Amino acid sequence: DQQVKQNSPSLSVQEGRISILNCDYTNSMFDYFLWYKKYPAEGPTFLISISSIKDKNEDGRFTVFLNKSAKHLSLHIVPSQPGDSAVYFCAAGGTSYGKLTFGQGTILTVHP
Amino acid sequence: EAQVTQNPRYLITVTGKKLTVTCSQNMNHEYMSWYRQDPGLGLRQIYYSMNVEVTDKGDVPEGYKVSRKEKRNFPLILESPSPNQTSLYFCASRHRGASYEQYFGPGTRLTVT
Repeated sequence: DQQVKQNSPSLSVQEGRISILNCDYTNSMFDYFLWYKKYPAEGPTFLISISSIKDKNEDGRFTVFLNKSAKHLSLHIVPSQPGDSAVYFCAAGGTSYGKLTFGQGTILTVHP
Repeated sequence: EAQVTQNPRYLITVTGKKLTVTCSQNMNHEYMSWYRQDPGLGLRQIYYSMNVEVTDKGDVPEGYKVSRKEKRNFPLILESPSPNQTSLYFCASRHRGASYEQYFGPGTRLTVT
């Protein structure tokens, strides 16, 4: 049972435009959500997070939106840059101490 | 430099030959965890540890063992590897009181033939 789903395996965007990556979850006990970015041959690195008491968190070009009623979160990257090309994982926590549940990942490609 | 290290980075082995993948962190983190990454499945947790001598199963623990004798080290043991354990493995750590943000190692690519 996939409790965190990223239904788009890949996304292609032009440099300078907005990238929107989506994530859906099923477990209402999740109360903390994160996005990780992964380059080839490297481990995932933390990008941005949001607590369930908020509906938006912004950090520079990256904004995460949370819609609790729809059990949906999204990551917006504006403007997109070629260096943003990577695999993006969403993750959720809160059902038990320290445990994170990850989505399948979305490959983002930003074309110059 | 604060980091999580894993060794080896690449390993090719045969079915049934016991192996250990080491993980070490220098950030004095209480919490450590092992994940495997497979195409279309994302990252799945194998085992985690909340502190020394405290370990628990994640989502896919079958075929794996772990130990946490020291705070900085969290080795992953495959007693009798099988081809379905061919995967990319990541170790991660974080402070107990921190948010869920974890620091990941660089990964270990394991192939079992």
